[in-house]
Amino acid sequence: ETGVTQTPRHLVMGMTNKKSLKCEQHLGHNAMYWYKQSAKKPLELMFVYNFKEQTENNSVPSRFSPECPNSSHLFLHLHTLQPEDSALYLCASSPLQGARQSSNEKLFFGSGTQLSVL
Amino acid sequence: DAKTTQPNSMESNEEEPVHLPCNHSTISGTDYIHWYRQLPSQGPEYVIHGLTSNVNNRMASLAIAEDRKSSTLILHRATLRDAAVYYCILNWGPFGNEKLTFGTGTRLTIIP
Repeated sequence: ETGVTQTPRHLVMGMTNKKSLKCEQHLGHNAMYWYKQSAKKPLELMFVYNFKEQTENNSVPSRFSPECPNSSHLFLHLHTLQPEDSALYLCASSPLQGARQSSNEKLFFGSGTQLSVL
Repeated sequence: DAKTTQPNSMESNEEEPVHLPCNHSTISGTDYIHWYRQLPSQGPEYVIHGLTSNVNNRMASLAIAEDRKSSTLILHRATLRDAAVYYCILNWGPFGNEKLTFGTGTRLTIIP
């Protein structure tokens, strides 16, 4: 148990569907992240939020829409996805992005949502 | 981007030490060296990190070369539960906007 919970664990959706992925952290962290992990590829950073403000959008297509209503919750809204978007979507949190204290530089990941787009 | 190079895969016998190498020849003076591992069906988990000096914790040890262009993660006594993909990553970027950029990692297989 890492303190970061992602739901659902598995999701199958059609290309015309709209769905949302949810992430919740119980660690009191202020930074939250979405990563994408495709088969046999490195983890790709998608979005970063610091204190609910988006600080990083790594050229992600607009069919992925993040939302961070507070420091504990992060959503990824999905619409009109393509089959190549099938991947493991991982949420992570850290105390504060860029903090220099060694005790604060860790990322805590959830178990991910395995997404299949048909 | 500051990059790391790791072997794609390694094997080790159970209950023996494992040395996982990582090259990071373009590392800058302020980049921290991090190691994470990803067990099957889970997200990555933090293992250890350091800047210049060797580091030890309950999971592993991190040996950093004097010129900081390479490092080695040491698992002192591998168990079957240590079978995972191990990522060596640099915390790089301007202060306040550091990123951890993952590579493809080393897949460690433990032989019973």
